[in-house]
Amino acid sequence: AQSVTQLDSHVSVSEGTPVLLRCNYSSSYSPSLFWYVQHPNKGLQLLLKYTSAATLVKGINGFEAEFKKSETSFHLTKPSAHMSDAAEYFCVVVSGYSTLTFGKGTMLLVSP
Amino acid sequence: DTGVSQDPRHKITKRGQNVTFRCDPISEHNRLYWYRQTLGQGPEFLTYFQNEAQLEKSRLLSDRFSAERPKGSFSTLEIQRTEQGDSAMYLCASSLVGLQGTRGDTQYFGPGTRLTVL
Repeated sequence: AQSVTQLDSHVSVSEGTPVLLRCNYSSSYSPSLFWYVQHPNKGLQLLLKYTSAATLVKGINGFEAEFKKSETSFHLTKPSAHMSDAAEYFCVVVSGYSTLTFGKGTMLLVSP
Repeated sequence: DTGVSQDPRHKITKRGQNVTFRCDPISEHNRLYWYRQTLGQGPEFLTYFQNEAQLEKSRLLSDRFSAERPKGSFSTLEIQRTEQGDSAMYLCASSLVGLQGTRGDTQYFGPGTRLTVL
């Protein structure tokens, strides 16, 4: 079975400092992985997607993630946090053919 | 705005009542998914349709839950005899896949329906 583990339930950063949200995956085959963001009272929005092409994936709003098979990781990074990045972030793996299995989420807090 | 829409956004009901939620996918999207999200957790898959066919159901989808997509456009999710444990956010998503299908199709989510069972 496919699963993801988000290693931090909360991450706090100051505006302008780097962001690192950690995700490890477990998959019996080459996985498809996503990061979604959920702002309060808004729907889930896709940040980026990995589907076995380039291991470094660039997403929206300056986020990127690197697929590392040897470490079974798919960490999300951003060089400089902005106040508007404060939200909950979900690491997601495709299970079966099309259904998504979500991690428990990491709440990103950004202080001025 | 032509995104996924859900109605109602909020529903409060008493235990034992039936509730029905509606999801309108992005126009021409052939796949439609339902997920449930409880407080402090990530969304969990419930079921999905390709056009009007229900292709997969999670074990989470008990006999009290039924979903339909009669004309391959909008979908409804009905919960009969609601229980307090049904309180959650119910999310709908849609995607477009070709004839061969796509593993890991990009799913676009609606804002959700928050259900509170008293």
